[in-house]
Amino acid sequence: DADVTQTPRNRITKTGKRIMLECSQTKGHDRMYWYRQDPGLGLRLIYYSFDVKDINKGEISDGYSVSRQAQAKFSLSLESAIPNQTALYFCATSGLAGQETQYFGPGTRLLVL
Amino acid sequence: GDSVTQMEGPVTLSEEAFLTINCTYTATGYPSLFWYVQYPGEGLQLLLKATKADDKGSNKGFEATYRKETTSFHLEKGSVQVSDSAVYFCALMTTDSWGKLQFGAGTQVVVTP
Repeated sequence: DADVTQTPRNRITKTGKRIMLECSQTKGHDRMYWYRQDPGLGLRLIYYSFDVKDINKGEISDGYSVSRQAQAKFSLSLESAIPNQTALYFCATSGLAGQETQYFGPGTRLLVL
Repeated sequence: GDSVTQMEGPVTLSEEAFLTINCTYTATGYPSLFWYVQYPGEGLQLLLKATKADDKGSNKGFEATYRKETTSFHLEKGSVQVSDSAVYFCALMTTDSWGKLQFGAGTQVVVTP
């Protein structure tokens, strides 16, 4: 079984709808991250969390919110989706040291019409 | 701010050709440098890393050397295979970035038989 899972894998929604992307991990890591990937822009950090009580904004947090329900679960919400949020979204985890490898989920492809 | 610049793709090669993907960075302090690879339909996975100047990271026949004097971390492989077709991301992490990665835009590599 995969260490970092994301649901759904694909989602089509309409402008103005609220949607939630979920991430779960079995690696026992404290640190979790949400990124979005756009062609030609690489990955950009949306939010990150160092433990259940610690949530931080990343580079492009506007229009997004997150919830860290447990050490193993980190959800990303789009309160009112807009077309320019169409992208590939990745969740990642890493260990405490901060210099360790980040482990990525398989991604959620989101299309906002 | 910190940034990573890598050569644009796609890079198209024949099997057994030599591959170089250029990566340069701008950062305060002494960053750790990474190459991540994204195979089609999958999330990113760490390919190799280097944490200090002159370190060489290597994995699966790929190598990259951390050059502080030229602020570069170019990826090389002597003989590529069709299975190396993927998108390659250069990334950095600084000691004061709290474990956050800064990614380049990614370089798509296509290897033909």
